[in-house]
Amino acid sequence: QVQLQESGPGQAKPSETLSLTCSVSGGSVSNYYCSWIRQPPGKGLEWIGYIYNSGGTTNYNPSLKSRVTISMDTSKNQFSLKLSSVTAADTAVYYCARDDIGVSGIMYWGQGTLVTVSS
Amino acid sequence: QTVVTQEPSLTVSPGGTVTLTCASSTGAVTSNYHPNWFQQKPGQAPRALIFGAINKHSWTPARFSGSLLGDKAALTLSGVQPEDEAEYYCLLHYGGAWVFGGGTKLTVL
Repeated sequence: QVQLQESGPGQAKPSETLSLTCSVSGGSVSNYYCSWIRQPPGKGLEWIGYIYNSGGTTNYNPSLKSRVTISMDTSKNQFSLKLSSVTAADTAVYYCARDDIGVSGIMYWGQGTLVTVSS
Repeated sequence: QTVVTQEPSLTVSPGGTVTLTCASSTGAVTSNYHPNWFQQKPGQAPRALIFGAINKHSWTPARFSGSLLGDKAALTLSGVQPEDEAEYYCLLHYGGAWVFGGGTKLTVL
């Protein structure tokens, strides 16, 4: 069974860069669409972006595109999120997720990690 | 800015049937949008239910079904159980990017 686990600091200061990593077990990150999604407290889900293969295709939410970088390390079976110039509006639970063969969309989710942006 | 619209809230009685819908600001939702549906309970990560508009995952209960209904994607729950009370989100694909709907809070009462 594919499992995903987010890791990274639970806090960030305004104007800093938020960095999170997703470790995948029971399956690979290679040749799959690996996504980041976030959910502000009490609000809905927002797709941040995905990466397909290390050094390969990325696609980002237009509203976040200027601040987001998603990368992949296939040797560690991980993918990562960097979100720059954060503000309080970036406070959210951040989820990593992955699709599967024949499944266009999102199939597997991490448990999520809360990142609070505060000085 | 593409907007995906869902009913903010719906109420259904136990054993009843309810249909949740997912509309796109760009027009009719077709299979080309690869509609996905997710269930999220309080304090939990979302769980995938439907992909490709109509396809269930191995863990999706039989009472859940996906369809294209008119110009929208739809999720129908037949024989609703108390444990189906949750927030439901749809997800649509737009030429590489994905957009979530705002979610439907389903109350079983």
